[in-house]
Amino acid sequence: EDQVTQSPEALRLQEGESSSLNCSYTVSGLRGLFWYRQDPGKGPEFLFTLYSAGEEKEKERLKATLTKKESFLHITAPKPEDSATYLCAVLNYGGSQGNLIFGKGTKLSVKP
Amino acid sequence: GAVVSQHPSRVICKSGTSVKIECRSLDFQATTMFWYRQFPKQSLMLMATSNEGSKATYEQGVEKDKFLINHASLTLSTLTVTSAHPEDSSFYICSAANGYTFGSGTRLTVV
Repeated sequence: EDQVTQSPEALRLQEGESSSLNCSYTVSGLRGLFWYRQDPGKGPEFLFTLYSAGEEKEKERLKATLTKKESFLHITAPKPEDSATYLCAVLNYGGSQGNLIFGKGTKLSVKP
Repeated sequence: GAVVSQHPSRVICKSGTSVKIECRSLDFQATTMFWYRQFPKQSLMLMATSNEGSKATYEQGVEKDKFLINHASLTLSTLTVTSAHPEDSSFYICSAANGYTFGSGTRLTVV
């Protein structure tokens, strides 16, 4: 069964304190791994897609990496506005376009 | 970029009534729309996939007679929760472009 596990469940950082979020996955066939940011009461906002082990992508203070079993979202020198829940999802080969399997998310709080 | 507009953002309804949620693709044509449900501190779970001009495909355990999906045009998909009960209270989110674009979500509270 395809599965996504995110850790930690919650993370509190001081402004400027870098850290990483983990997304471990098991999937029969990986079409892509997605990272999203979700603010309270809002839908997910797309951040990155990674397709193969070794791939890395960056956007401002965020950098996503991928191995065959997990992905990391590195946050460098975070700011309070980075506070949100970060979701990871894998796209498998089910159905006609694949199915997105989501983790439960990591709730990040950045204190000034 | 692709934008999906979802309405309403919040709705409170009485038990036994029906509620319709709309998702519109604003600047592109969405032949396929995905409907998710998210309970507090839980993963987004796919409920169904709607395809323009054909019947929706429902995930196992999702009652198709309770969650009616209509995708009558390339820019509009609707989810109707029929005879709603308190256990249907949840956050409903639509998605197009297969993972790249999500609506802003609808918080449904059934009292």
